[in-house]
Amino acid sequence: AQSVSQHNHHVILSEAASLELGCNYSYGGTVNLFWYVQYPGQHLQLLLKYFSGDPLVKGIKGFEAEFIKSKFSFNLRKPSVQWSDTAEYFCAVKAGSYQLTFGKGTKLSVIP
Amino acid sequence: DGGITQSPKYLFRKEGQNVTLSCEQNLNHDAMYWYRQDPGQGLRLIYYSQIVNDFQKGDIAEGYSVSREKKESFPLTVTSAQKNPTAFYLCASSRGFASGRSTTGELFFGEGSRLTVL
Repeated sequence: AQSVSQHNHHVILSEAASLELGCNYSYGGTVNLFWYVQYPGQHLQLLLKYFSGDPLVKGIKGFEAEFIKSKFSFNLRKPSVQWSDTAEYFCAVKAGSYQLTFGKGTKLSVIP
Repeated sequence: DGGITQSPKYLFRKEGQNVTLSCEQNLNHDAMYWYRQDPGQGLRLIYYSQIVNDFQKGDIAEGYSVSREKKESFPLTVTSAQKNPTAFYLCASSRGFASGRSTTGELFFGEGSRLTVL
């Protein structure tokens, strides 16, 4: 079975700091990759996705992620975070016939 | 507006009682899912349905039951057999699975139902 690992449980940053959240998965075949975000009190929503093509994908609100196949990674980045980025971020992987598998999530707290 | 509606948002239940959570979608999606979210555990799949009148167990199906009599609806019953039912429950849907096609994995979520067992 596939698994998804998110390296950080809780990240605390000051506004304008750069962000990188790690995500690794275990599956040797073709994958579809996602980052979802859950803002406080809101429903889970898609931040960005990768199916194929350019491994650097851009999502909403200035977020981007890079798929590195050799490292089985799909790290999320943002050059300069804002207080409004405070949320929980989930990496997810769809591999083959398996259902979508989520990581355990990373809580991001941005201090004004 | 198209979307997924879950109800109720908050629910309290006494131990030993069954409770049913509603999930309705008007996105015309084939597949629907129930996840459970606990702090520090991410989302864990309870049940999913790829097509009407068919559903499959996910990773943590014990103590839960579902039905899929209509494309738009996928209710979840939390039975008294579920040992630790207090949690946040999320319903989701996705395109695909018609004619045997697999989904891309992109899900659309409802706002969730928070169940507390007293």
